[in-house]
This record gives sequence, C-alpha cells and structure tokens, in this order.
Amino acid sequence: EEQLVESGGGLVPPGQSLRLSCRGSGFIFGDYNVNWFRQAPGKGLEWVGFIRSRAHGGTADYAASVKGRFTISRDDSKRIAYLQMSSLKTEDSAVYSCTREAGLTSFDVWGQGTMVSVSS
Amino acid sequence: DIQMTQSPSSLSASVGDRVTITCRASQTVTFYLNWYRQRPGKAPELLIFAASKLQSGVPSRFSGSGSGTDFTLTISGLQPEDFATYYCQQGYSNPVTFGGGTKVDIK
Repeated sequence: EEQLVESGGGLVPPGQSLRLSCRGSGFIFGDYNVNWFRQAPGKGLEWVGFIRSRAHGGTADYAASVKGRFTISRDDSKRIAYLQMSSLKTEDSAVYSCTREAGLTSFDVWGQGTMVSVSS
Repeated sequence: DIQMTQSPSSLSASVGDRVTITCRASQTVTFYLNWYRQRPGKAPELLIFAASKLQSGVPSRFSGSGSGTDFTLTISGLQPEDFATYYCQQGYSNPVTFGGGTKVDIK
C-alpha cells in the first residue's frame, strides 16, 4: 500500500522551532515531488511548500506566508521528507500533511497529518 | 495568486440524490483542476484530476467537467460515505490554491 506518515507535531511557544517528518512507503519515494499542506481547525487547505524530486533538481519552493521561516528537505535513502519550521507564530497552528504529487499537479497520496499548536 | 471560488458552500441532500458543485477560477487554469473529498477527521482523497479524469479506484458516480475558469463536480447517486466536504484545487500556477470547500450533509 502506498502510504505517507507524518510525525513530529506538538505544542510549542511562539518563536520556537519544530521539525516535522514525512515517511513514505509502498512506492519509490525519490521519484516524486513532496508537498506540504496545512489545515487550521475548521478551515480550508493551504499549501505550505514543496520539494522537487532529485530528477527535477531537488529544490524547494514555499508559500509567501512561510518563506524565510520554513525549510523543506528530503533524504531519499530513508524515504523521508522534512519540514523545518522556525520562528513559529500562533497563526501557524494547524494540522500539517505531506502529499505525493502526481500528474498535472494533483495530489494522490496524503498522510493523516500531524497537529502543530503554537501557543504560550 | 489564483483565487478559487466554490459554490455552494454547503448543501443538504439525501442518499441517491444527484449533486453538483461548481468551482470558478479567477483566471484560466486550462484543465489543471482537481477535486478532492474530505471526510471528517480524514485526509483528502483525490477524486478527479485534469478536470475530468477519474482517479484510479474512485467510483464512477463521480464525474468532472469544465475548462478554463469554470468547472463542475457531479455526484450521481449520493452514497452515505459521500457526506463530506469537497474541495477544488488548481495546479496551473504556483502557489497551488484550493477553493473554500463545499460541505455536503444529510437532509
């Protein structure tokens, strides 16, 4: 079964950092771009950023709301993508999910998400 | 950024009903339009990609149409598992953006 599993969420005070992990299984992880999304309680879906596969350069892009604070990386040997979040704000509180990017910028495999709460 | 507007924001329906949800983009997204179903407490599931292509494993009661700026998701014969929130998403340009969602609940 093709699967993504996130981990690393938790409660942190504003200004602190947190690193999320996204582990893939059941497919060749390194062949795919990995995107991160977030969803605040009762709200819609917001794209956070993504990292390209090595074949497409392995570089990352970010939403304007997190650029300069968040960094996405990947270790294909471990089948893991990371979302390093720094200078966290209360408005960053959400469930964070990683996804596999399929054709035409659709997202066909989603993790269950990990909750990040930023509060003093 | 491309703004995606869904309508209605919510609707009530019964099992067996035909349901139509629309999605409008603030500028053309050609056919880079995808639809997802999100059940409560669950991750989104891809239903339709490229505006009208049924994702593998998705029941044929789901169909999509449209191109450019106006798109439609139709569910022909609502099933109990379809009471959920539906999102459209454009993949034409970065950043990827979603509609605000359409919640389908039981009448």
